[in-house]
Amino acid sequence: AQSVAQPEDQVNVAEGNPLTVKCTYSVSGNPYLFWYVQYPNRGLQFLLKYITGDNLVKGSYGFEAEFNKSQTSFHLKKPSALVSDSALYFCAVRDRNYGQNFVFGPGTRLSVLP
Amino acid sequence: DAGVIQSPRHEVTEMGQEVTLRCKPISGHDYLFWYRQTMMRGLELLIYFNNNVPIDDSGMPEDRFSAKMPNASFSTLKIQPSEPRDSAVYFCASTTQGTGANVLTFGAGSRLTVL
Repeated sequence: AQSVAQPEDQVNVAEGNPLTVKCTYSVSGNPYLFWYVQYPNRGLQFLLKYITGDNLVKGSYGFEAEFNKSQTSFHLKKPSALVSDSALYFCAVRDRNYGQNFVFGPGTRLSVLP
Repeated sequence: DAGVIQSPRHEVTEMGQEVTLRCKPISGHDYLFWYRQTMMRGLELLIYFNNNVPIDDSGMPEDRFSAKMPNASFSTLKIQPSEPRDSAVYFCASTTQGTGANVLTFGAGSRLTVL
């Protein structure tokens, strides 16, 4: 069975500081990994994905994520946070050999303080 | 493309009433998903379709919930009878398999309140 954990319900960071939102996953096969962002009263928006190759993936709005196979992690990062980055962030996994079953984590609320 | 379109955006109804939520996926997408989001349970997959055929409905809570996809451009999620615990935001998403890691595109959601 696939699962995703986001160990922090809430992350607070000062504007201009680097941010990290953590994600660990469990799949039986090889994963596709995703990050989505949700702003208030909106649907989820795609940020970035890991398929294969380079472990550092760059995405929208200056976000990047690092895939670590040995730690089964896919942490989201940004070098310098903006107040407008404040939102709910979801990590998701799909097992390459298990159809289109996307499994989402519980979400982490990011607050960037001015 | 206008993206995934859901209606209504907000629905307030009384317990026992029938609720129908609608979704129009992105043209050309052959997978359609229904998710439910609540504070307590997060984002839950209810059901997904491939080429209008239900593939996995194991997340559908109970017989009060039903979903259909009569054609490639329309799907409904029906709750009958509705209960207060069904209050949630319901999201529709679509994708096409293509090559590599396909991405889900979500609609704006339908916020359901059952009184």
